[in-house]
Amino acid sequence: NAGVTQTPKFQVLKTGQSMTLQCAQDMNHNSMYWYRQDPGMGLRLIYYSASEGTTDKGEVPNGYNVSRLNKREFSLRLESAAPSQTSVYFCASSEKGNSNEKLFFGSGTQLSVL
Amino acid sequence: GQSLEQPSEVTAVEGAIVQINCTYQTSGFYGLSWYQQHDGGAPTFLSYNALDGLEETGRFSSFLSRSDSYGYLLLQELQMKDSASYFCAVRTMDSNYQLIWGAGTKLIIKP
Repeated sequence: NAGVTQTPKFQVLKTGQSMTLQCAQDMNHNSMYWYRQDPGMGLRLIYYSASEGTTDKGEVPNGYNVSRLNKREFSLRLESAAPSQTSVYFCASSEKGNSNEKLFFGSGTQLSVL
Repeated sequence: GQSLEQPSEVTAVEGAIVQINCTYQTSGFYGLSWYQQHDGGAPTFLSYNALDGLEETGRFSSFLSRSDSYGYLLLQELQMKDSASYFCAVRTMDSNYQLIWGAGTKLIIKP
C-alpha cells in the first residue's frame, strides 16, 4: 500500500498563477485534510473533508479551494498564488473525522511563490 | 482563543531520557496527540491521550493531566534516530474536533 500520495513534490509559481495539488489515499479512509506548515510553526488546517461529498473550512482557508473528487482523492487549488502561500503543504487522511483517529500524512509539497 | 505551548528545542544525550512538555489553553478539550517529524519528512503519529494518566508504547510514553491542561512525551533510551521535531496537538469541540497543533519541539541528541 502506498498510503497517502501527493503530487507534485516541488513547485515554483509566479504571483497570480494557479495550480492544483493532488492527493490520493488507498487506505479507504473517510476523512481527508490539507495542512500547511511554515517554519517555526505547527501545522495549520486549510480545509478538510469528513466524508465523501463534504468539505469544510479549517483555520486558514482564504486563497484556497478544495474538491473531494471521490473517496480516494482530495485536491487543493490555488486560484491566484501569492507569496504568502509559500509553504510546505501536507495532505492527510484518517478513518474517522470526529474522534481521535490517527492521521496519516503524505510526503508533502514544497511550494514557492515568487 | 486556543493555544498550545511547548519548548522550541531540547537537547539530550544518546541513551538518556528526555521529557517534552505541552501545555494547552482550550475549551472543550477532547484529547492530546503527539506526532514525530524528521527534517524534510512528514509527521507520523506517536500517541494519543484522552484520559488522565500514562500511555506507554515501547520506548515512548505520553502523559496527560486534564486538570492541569498539561501533557508530556517521554522518550527513553534515546537513539540518534530520535532526533526530530515533536508536535503536540489537541482536539477540541471549539475546533470542530479538528487538531490544533503546537509549534513543535526540536530534539537534538548528542552522542
